[in-house]
Amino acid sequence: DQQVKQNSPSLSVQEGRISILNCDYTNSMFDYFLWYKKYPAEGPTFLISISSIKDKNEDGRFTVFLNKSAKHLSLHIVPSQPGDSAVYFCAASRFSNDYKLSFGAGTTVTVRA
Amino acid sequence: ETGVTQTPRHLVMGMTNKKSLKCEQHLGHNAMYWYKQSAKKPLELMFVYNFKEQTENNSVPSRFSPECPNSSHLFLHLHTLQPEDSALYLCASSGRDRGVYGYTFGSGTRLTVV
Repeated sequence: DQQVKQNSPSLSVQEGRISILNCDYTNSMFDYFLWYKKYPAEGPTFLISISSIKDKNEDGRFTVFLNKSAKHLSLHIVPSQPGDSAVYFCAASRFSNDYKLSFGAGTTVTVRA
Repeated sequence: ETGVTQTPRHLVMGMTNKKSLKCEQHLGHNAMYWYKQSAKKPLELMFVYNFKEQTENNSVPSRFSPECPNSSHLFLHLHTLQPEDSALYLCASSGRDRGVYGYTFGSGTRLTVV
């Protein structure tokens, strides 16, 4: 039973444009959401997170938006850079220090020069 | 280097072999995890250790046997694996860093069962 879904397996975007990655979840108990970035041959690295008390969190070029009623979150990368080419995983948990993260299948982002 | 080190990086083993994956963290975290990543699938949580005690076994077959001798080290002992067990095995640890709770992953062991 996959509780976190990333329905787009891949995304191609031109350098300098916006990348929008989407994530949906089914478990209404989730209230803490994270995005991880993964390069080939490396483990995932934490990118940005948001708790359910917020609907937006911004960190430099990365912004995460949360729509609790729709059980949907998105990651915006503006402007996209070639170094952003990676696999992005959405993850969710019941609270910020819950050990049990549920992950999506990932979206592969390719930024074209 | 993320603070979580996994060895070996790559492993090819036969179905009758016995091998072990090692994970070490120097972050002072109290929880450690094994995840499995198969192609095009979500990361699957396998085992969780909290203060050296196993707190979760996510219905993992007994051919995978974890060991956590202390809060800094985690092993995954493998024997009589199947080709479908070929995947990237990721170790992670979690804890508070400067007041923020976070997860740190190792680079993974790419396992191929032949």
